[in-house]
Amino acid sequence: QVQLVESGGGLVKPGGSLRLSCAGAGFSFSDHYMLWIRQTPGKGLECVSDIRSGGSTIYYADSVKGRFTISRDNARNSLYLQMNSLRAEDTAVYFCATGPTGYYPPPLQYWGRGTLVTVSS
Amino acid sequence: EIVLTQSPATLSLSPGERATLSCRASQDVSSYLAWYQQKPGQAPRLLIYDASKRATGIPARFSGSGSETDFTLTISSLEPEDFALYYCQQRNSWPWTFGLGTKVEIE
Repeated sequence: QVQLVESGGGLVKPGGSLRLSCAGAGFSFSDHYMLWIRQTPGKGLECVSDIRSGGSTIYYADSVKGRFTISRDNARNSLYLQMNSLRAEDTAVYFCATGPTGYYPPPLQYWGRGTLVTVSS
Repeated sequence: EIVLTQSPATLSLSPGERATLSCRASQDVSSYLAWYQQKPGQAPRLLIYDASKRATGIPARFSGSGSETDFTLTISSLEPEDFALYYCQQRNSWPWTFGLGTKVEIE
C-alpha cells in the first residue's frame, strides 16, 4: 500500500535552514503530484508548496515564496522541501501528501505522518 | 485566496445522532470541495471529494452535498470513532485552502 514518510524536521534558530524529505513507496511516485502541507494549532492547515509529476509546474504559498524550494527526485521516489531564512511562524508539523492520478490537483488521499519543525532561539 | 468558513466550531452530540457540518466558501469553488477527518496525533484522512464522492473505504454513513459556495457533510448516525475534527478543503484555485475545522465531541 501507499506509504509516505517525512524526515528532516527538528529545532532550528531563526534565520536558519532545514531540508525536509518525503520518501514514497507502494505507488508509482513519478506519476504523482506531490504537496507539502503544514499544520499549526493557530493557523490550522496550510498548503505550502506543490509540484506536478514531471516537476514542470510548482506553486508556493505567499508566506514562503522566496524562502522555500520544493523539488523531487523521481529516481529516488523522494520529495524535498528546502527551507531557508526560517521564522518563528514556520513552526509547524509538515506533511507530504498526494492523491490519485488523473486529477490536477488530486484530492489528498494519502498523507505521511508528519515531521515537526520548531524555529526558536 | 479563497476562505473557507466552517460552522459550527463545535458540535456536541451523542452516538447514534445525526451530525450536519457546514462549509462556506468566499468564492465559487465549483464542486472541488473535500472533507477530511483528523484525530489527535494523526494526519487528516480523506472522507469526501468533489463535494459528494466518498473516498475508498469510507462508510456510507458519511455523505457530502453542495456546490459553488455552500457545502455540507452529514454523518447519518454517529459511531464512537466518528468523534474527531473535520476540515473542508478547496482545490479550485491555488492556494488550496482549508477551513479551520469543526470539532464533533461527545455530549
